[in-house]
Amino acid sequence: GDSVTQMEGPVTLSEEAFLTINCTYTATGYPSLFWYVQYPGEGLQLLLKATKADDKGSNKGFEATYRKETTSFHLEKGSVQVSDSAVYFCALSEVGGAGSYQLTFGKGTKLSVIP
Amino acid sequence: NAGVTQTPKFRILKIGQSMTLQCAQDMNHNYMYWYRQDPGMGLKLIYYSVGAGITDKGEVPNGYNVSRSTTEDFPLRLELAAPSQTSVYFCASKAGAENIQYFGAGTRLSVL
Repeated sequence: GDSVTQMEGPVTLSEEAFLTINCTYTATGYPSLFWYVQYPGEGLQLLLKATKADDKGSNKGFEATYRKETTSFHLEKGSVQVSDSAVYFCALSEVGGAGSYQLTFGKGTKLSVIP
Repeated sequence: NAGVTQTPKFRILKIGQSMTLQCAQDMNHNYMYWYRQDPGMGLKLIYYSVGAGITDKGEVPNGYNVSRSTTEDFPLRLELAAPSQTSVYFCASKAGAENIQYFGAGTRLSVL
């Protein structure tokens, strides 16, 4: 079955540091790939997505490129801020029953950014 | 914009009690989902629905039941609560043409 593996946390960075969170996946078909973010006490929000190989998703300074050859979708940001402190989930979506597009999540990576 | 609304936000149950977690969305989405999130783990799909009157099991359905009588509502029922059901539960919805799920703020459930 499908699976997503992302780097273990927690990750602690100083403000303005460079961020990389690794994510690799296993899928039978051609999934769409996502990064979701969960701020403390809140539900998940879509951060960015990519639907086919070589697509780059970007939002709020975060980027990730869909690499089919390495089955990866690593999240990067050039300069993190304290407000980026959250848990980040990598996920994939393939067509399920009746076109349901179920999500398969990684375990999440907790990021803490210190001033 | 309300989006996906879950109630209650917190609940403590005793072993063997039952309860219903409520989920409502006001975006006229056909697809709705229930997930559970255990500490240090990603979300696991419990049940999903592709439209009113249609539901199906996800990865971890045991101990839960759902119904979908309207497009807006997708309640999750726990019949005999067990400590293993202590978790945070998230409801999500998706429009048919768009592959993006929108999540509620979650219900934190403890079974003691």
